Order: sequence, then C-alpha cells, then structure tokens
Amino acid sequence: QKEVEQDPGPLSVPEGAIVSLNCTYSNSAFQYFMWYRQYSRKGPELLMYTYSSGNKEDGRFTAQVDKSSKYISLFIRDSQPSDSATYLCASPEDSGAGSYQLTFGKGTKLSVIP
Amino acid sequence: DTGVSQDPRHKITKRGQNVTFRCDPISEHNRLYWYRQTLGQGPEFLTYFQNEAQLEKSRLLSDRFSAERPKGSFSTLEIQRTEQGDSAMYLCAGGDDYLNGDTEAFFGQGTRLTVV
Repeated sequence: QKEVEQDPGPLSVPEGAIVSLNCTYSNSAFQYFMWYRQYSRKGPELLMYTYSSGNKEDGRFTAQVDKSSKYISLFIRDSQPSDSATYLCASPEDSGAGSYQLTFGKGTKLSVIP
Repeated sequence: DTGVSQDPRHKITKRGQNVTFRCDPISEHNRLYWYRQTLGQGPEFLTYFQNEAQLEKSRLLSDRFSAERPKGSFSTLEIQRTEQGDSAMYLCAGGDDYLNGDTEAFFGQGTRLTVV
C-alpha cells in the first residue's frame, strides 16, 4: 500500500462547479501537506501548503486536513476551464538525511468543461 | 516560471545507450532533488543533494543511475545502458534551506525520456 492514496479520476465537471479532491495517507509521521497542480507535459507547481488539521483558504482554493482520519482535501470554488490539470497531494518526510523528500499521490486528472 | 531549468526537454534514445540530463536551479537553492514520474503516477523521489553533497538515494536509483552536483550549482543525472522501463519524465526540483517546516520545492519542466 502506498503511503499516499489518491483517486486518479478522471474527474469532469461543468464550469462554475465546486470541485472536491481527496487523498488519504497512512504515515503518521506526515505533518505537512501540499497540493500541487500539474498541467500536461509540465512540472508540478505548488498550490497550497498546510500544517496540522484545519482549513486554509487561498482565493478559490481551500485545503483541508483531518489528521485524526488521515484525510486531505482540496476544494476549488467556481471552477474554471483553466483549472483543468492533474492535482497531486504530497507530504514531505525526513528519512534522516534532512532531505524532506515529497511522497506524492498518483494525482487526480480534472477537466472543467466550459 | 520557477526559475529551475532542465535540458533537454525531450530525449529519445535507443535501448542500451547512455543519456545525461541537466538541471539548473536558481542560485539560492541549496537543496536539489531528482524525481521520476511515469504515466498516470505521481513523481517518485530518486535522490537529494544538499549543496554538492548527495545525501540520500532512493532504492529506485539502480547502479545504472548516477547523479552529480559539482560545486553545488547545476546537477546532472546520467542513465547508463538505458532500458525501456526507464522511459519516464525526470523532474528536478530546487529549494532553499529547510526552515520552520518550509519545504517548498520548485520543479522544473522535466525531461521526457523515451527509450525505444
């Protein structure tokens, strides 16, 4: 079992819809959580960064972490066609060398239809 | 634009050939990572540099793979005797010193390798 599980989709929604993207994780050592957006044939770009349980809002995006259930969510309000991309959840972990390398989920491919 | 550049963007090679990729992070990036991403999967960690020191290598990094970061600036990833299973996107990421939980890593656009 991978340490970060994510439904790969694809997910297709009409423009203006509220999108909910979710991940679960199994490693209790994970403390920080990120959401990356990756357009086709591009590198991932950081969208949101959260620590501990609770919500964090940035414009149309809200990241939510529930550590008790090891559940991570990203909500997109008023979705736009430009939001069409693959969304990756990730968490850094230090294996002892100070690397804090990221463990990613598989990514969920989102299409927002005009 | 994250300021992290990778070269080449695409590489097609025949099985058994050696290939080398280059990553140029911005000068402030003491941390440098290489990841591999196959179709339908998230990026997987390969190796980590703190300045010029290679401090961690994933079990994914077989003996055919070698990475360097001379002088703590640009980095190269070489794959010897390529196999079809090496076909993937190779991503480089850079970041500042880890402080107070800030582990943001800035990814380059990646090098897409196809082994035929």
